[in-house]
Amino acid sequence: DAKTTQPNSMESNEEEPVHLPCNHSTISGTDYIHWYRQLPSQGPEYVIHGLTSNVNNRMASLAIAEDRKSSTLILHRATLRDAAVYYCILRRGTGNQFYFGTGTSLTVIP
Amino acid sequence: EPEVTQTPSHQVTQMGQEVILRCVPISNHLYFYWYRQILGQKVEFLVSFYNNEISEKSEIFDDQFSVERPDGSNFTLKIRSTKLEDSAMYFCASTFRAGGGDEQYFGPGTRLTVT
Repeated sequence: DAKTTQPNSMESNEEEPVHLPCNHSTISGTDYIHWYRQLPSQGPEYVIHGLTSNVNNRMASLAIAEDRKSSTLILHRATLRDAAVYYCILRRGTGNQFYFGTGTSLTVIP
Repeated sequence: EPEVTQTPSHQVTQMGQEVILRCVPISNHLYFYWYRQILGQKVEFLVSFYNNEISEKSEIFDDQFSVERPDGSNFTLKIRSTKLEDSAMYFCASTFRAGGGDEQYFGPGTRLTVT
């Protein structure tokens, strides 16, 4: 499965935007880009996904580079509740399971 | 909002004992999964299940593991003879479709402690 690269950790001040980067240079044409997060002591939680175009939902925005080799998850106003490990995952169009990397641990500073 | 539930939240067992972890997926979902996460490590895929049979499994999912959908609502993971290294969080997930653009819904997990 295609590999993603994320920074191990990031910090953000509360109520400021957060940009979480992900590199996926070996992405194939049928790979969807998914973002999940895992709050402490909880199961992974869906955040957003996209294929080629930028996507917005109530939780976040996903900006996908034109060549699709990188993407950025944008949290518009970080709250303390957004402190979690964020995973960028590529999923094949015919794929089934998710392969999680080590993710980015986001710390939100009050 | 519908959610995946798992029981028990914490299971303690002795090495060599059998354990069954239970999950109730979202009711109209068709694809079911088990993942595990050893403390401090990443989430690892174990097995996927569709139409009453295993569709994919990882190398972790050896003969000690089995899955079953005994009725229309439950999805279980059985470990026949637990080892110390089976201690982990086990997450169940489900989805209606298994396409690349379909999200999986995860349960809160069962913490398994093998002593």
